[in-house]
Amino acid sequence: GESVGLHLPTLSVQEGDNSIINCAYSNSASDYFIWYKQESGKGPQFIIDIRSNMDKRQGQRVTVLLNKTVKHLSLQIAATQPGDSAVYFCAEIRSNDYKLSFGAGTTVTVRA
Amino acid sequence: DGGITQSPKYLFRKEGQNVTLSCEQNLNHDAMYWYRQDPGQGLRLIYYSQIVNDFQKGDIAEGYSVSREKKESFPLTVTSAQKNPTAFYLCASSGLAGATDTQYFGPGTRLTVL
Repeated sequence: GESVGLHLPTLSVQEGDNSIINCAYSNSASDYFIWYKQESGKGPQFIIDIRSNMDKRQGQRVTVLLNKTVKHLSLQIAATQPGDSAVYFCAEIRSNDYKLSFGAGTTVTVRA
Repeated sequence: DGGITQSPKYLFRKEGQNVTLSCEQNLNHDAMYWYRQDPGQGLRLIYYSQIVNDFQKGDIAEGYSVSREKKESFPLTVTSAQKNPTAFYLCASSGLAGATDTQYFGPGTRLTVL
């Protein structure tokens, strides 16, 4: 079936280093992707999005890269801080029915 | 949480009882969604509604029911037919129905069936 998934379930990062979280998708018809951050016991929080007509988009300390050739997107967090510790999800919105499809998530732990 | 409220935050029910989870949004969004999240997993779509008085089944609708009588409200009922109802339930909304638009989430309701 078509799905969105993340390469690694966990990522440990030293405070101050850059983090890279990867995500692979298989639905070539998807044209909109979102990264969410979820802290324990809370709802997912929007971080950044990207549409399929773009390769890169930058926000505050975050960058999302989209490689449509290999169906891969990544989230880069610059100068990772303790407050960045959370579960990160990539999600795609399917253009045929507008449903949001989530991967399983990557748990990021920031070491002091 | 962007103007989306869910209540209560924690809910306990006995097995066999129906329970209704509340979701309200003041963002004037057309579309609303219900997701279920189990430990260590991503979100799975239960039901969604793109306009008032209309809703569609998601990927795991069995044992659940919804209504959309008002634009601001999209309550979810977990019925006794749901075999494994204990989970974290998340409501979301997006501005445009029938479009690829960002979904914003509420804080969630953790349901535990005893």
